[in-house]
Amino acid sequence: EIVLTQSPGTLSLSPGERATLSCGASQSVGGNFLAWLQHKPGQAPSLLIHSASKRATDVPDRFSASGSGTNFTLTITRLEPEDFAVYYCQQYSSLHYTFGQGTKVEIK
Amino acid sequence: GQVVQSGAEVKKPGASVKVSCKASGYSFSSYGMSWVRQAPGQGLEWMGWISGLNGKTQYAQKYQGRVTMTTDTSTNIAYMELRSLTSDDTAVYFCARRSALGLDVWGQGTTVIVSS
Repeated sequence: EIVLTQSPGTLSLSPGERATLSCGASQSVGGNFLAWLQHKPGQAPSLLIHSASKRATDVPDRFSASGSGTNFTLTITRLEPEDFAVYYCQQYSSLHYTFGQGTKVEIK
Repeated sequence: GQVVQSGAEVKKPGASVKVSCKASGYSFSSYGMSWVRQAPGQGLEWMGWISGLNGKTQYAQKYQGRVTMTTDTSTNIAYMELRSLTSDDTAVYFCARRSALGLDVWGQGTTVIVSS
């Protein structure tokens, strides 16, 4: 099983600031099949990024992601009020998917 | 496409729960359906998935022997049944379409409460 470890656990920032979230994998994520999801309380998670760096449909360009192998990064260039949420990385390269434990981006 | 889940459930310890997930707006047989849960205060946990084409399944080891995922291709509904419930199974259960992009369409979630 591929274990994903996200850091930091919580990020306290103000609107307009830049957020950088990390995701490390215990082994190489084949095909860079790594996604980032946004999850707000009481809502369904939503796909932000797939294939490590490709924005999903209708995702604003302030969200960008990069990485390959075992190290991945999600960047939000200028936080908007609606961006405060929990972000998960998730690998779908193996038959058994796994999620990171999440990074909470909270208002400072 | 969209997926719509069944409503909240309250179950007693030892019972089973069956959650449904109705797909629309896409070809059901062209995609799989994953099930993910979130216990109170916890993160997302992948439970398994089922092929919409042939019904093949993959379950997380943690749920092997206790979970069954099925589909009804005549109605485009996926089901997840979890047996021998304990309070630790209290969670919100999500279905999500499995595609080449990952989990790209999510249901709204079904709250399952296990309480005596």
